[in-house]
Amino acid sequence: DADVTQTPRNRITKTGKRIMLECSQTKGHDRMYWYRQDPGLGLRLIYYSFDVKDINKGEISDGYSVSRQAQAKFSLSLESAIPNQTALYFCATSDLEDSGANVLTFGAGSRLTVL
Amino acid sequence: QKEVEQNSGPLSVPEGAIASLNCTYSDRGSQSFFWYRQYSGKSPELIMSIYSNGDKEDGRFTAQLNKASQYVSLLIRDSQPSDSATYLCAVRQFWAGGTSYGKLTFGQGTILTVHP
Repeated sequence: DADVTQTPRNRITKTGKRIMLECSQTKGHDRMYWYRQDPGLGLRLIYYSFDVKDINKGEISDGYSVSRQAQAKFSLSLESAIPNQTALYFCATSDLEDSGANVLTFGAGSRLTVL
Repeated sequence: QKEVEQNSGPLSVPEGAIASLNCTYSDRGSQSFFWYRQYSGKSPELIMSIYSNGDKEDGRFTAQLNKASQYVSLLIRDSQPSDSATYLCAVRQFWAGGTSYGKLTFGQGTILTVHP
């Protein structure tokens, strides 16, 4: 089984619908992140969480919300999806402290299309 | 100015050549630098990290860092078709107080194609 699991892997929805992307991890990491990737724009941080009680906005949080249900689970919600939220979304985890590398472990990605 | 900017691609090199990927960053307080490789349809994977000025070599990969010029690069020697991917430069800043929270800022990526 993958260390970081995202569901669904693909989703097509309509404008105005509520969508939830889920992420679960078996790495035992405290830190979890949601990124979106658009062609030519790289990865942009939406939200991040350092532990269950800690939630922080990233650079593009408008239109999104998150929930950290447990150390292993971090969900991203789009309350009312719009077409420019069509993108590839990645969940990632990392250790509490760097250990010299701060390696992000990524999930396989969730491709969301908003019509 | 973007916080992290990579040389525009796509970059095409013949098999066996050296591929050079470049990245500049705007925050002089940046301390840690990473190169991720992303195959089409896959998630990014870390291939190199560098923290000090100079070169760091790992197999066919060499990362170069120049903090004075705010520049980091990745050289791939003896390029292979299997190196064809998007390469993402990522930079980690330290928050005020000097504690790293691991927030990475990524560049837009450079698509590399190695042709036989």
